[in-house]
Amino acid sequence: NAGVTQTPKFQVLKTGQSMTLQCAQDMNHNSMYWYRQDPGMGLRLIYYSASEGTTDKGEVPNGYNVSRLNKREFSLRLESAAPSQTSVYFCASSEDKGAPYTEAFFGQGTRLTVV
Amino acid sequence: RKEVEQDPGPFNVPEGATVAFNCTYSNSASQSFFWYRQDCRKEPKLLMSVYSSGNEDGRFTAQLNRASQYISLLIRDSKLSDSATYLCVVLTGTGGFKTIFGAGTRLFVKA
Repeated sequence: NAGVTQTPKFQVLKTGQSMTLQCAQDMNHNSMYWYRQDPGMGLRLIYYSASEGTTDKGEVPNGYNVSRLNKREFSLRLESAAPSQTSVYFCASSEDKGAPYTEAFFGQGTRLTVV
Repeated sequence: RKEVEQDPGPFNVPEGATVAFNCTYSNSASQSFFWYRQDCRKEPKLLMSVYSSGNEDGRFTAQLNRASQYISLLIRDSKLSDSATYLCVVLTGTGGFKTIFGAGTRLFVKA
């Protein structure tokens, strides 16, 4: 069972470069999320998608864009990377669709360093 | 003030000890509560949901106190394998939802 798959697992970018983090889930979940995790800050929601074709901003959306390509895939794009975006990025998915929150399943994370 | 606050620890306890973590939340309209576990350099995974009446899963007991706006996690008979970071998660919202993670409490269980 693949669950939630994120690529790449590691990435080093130079300031100003762009990149897209890919995420796919095979559990037929409706909702998908992108979080970043920094030391002492916990997980902070960047963007989420409650269903295919919809996306909404989370707590820290600035500097990011997302695309819910289909029900399986939810990508996160950094258009012009900044050192402040150095972090561990997690993609997650859950079954809920307008219903009480259900368990979120996470990908293995992407460790991004911007120099 | 953060919306969800946890004592970052670390808690260092010997095997067999009982340890308790608390988590406070600021939004009284919060609806659902969870504990997640995160091992070093791994992704978070659901440990247990927290129900109003309290719930138990083996050595783990979760409690919710809505009046004081905190949830707790009690681990009895600690094992070396319990060493991890425990994340408090609160769901708030009407219509949509907002999931807020605490920064986590680190636990080290020593032999």
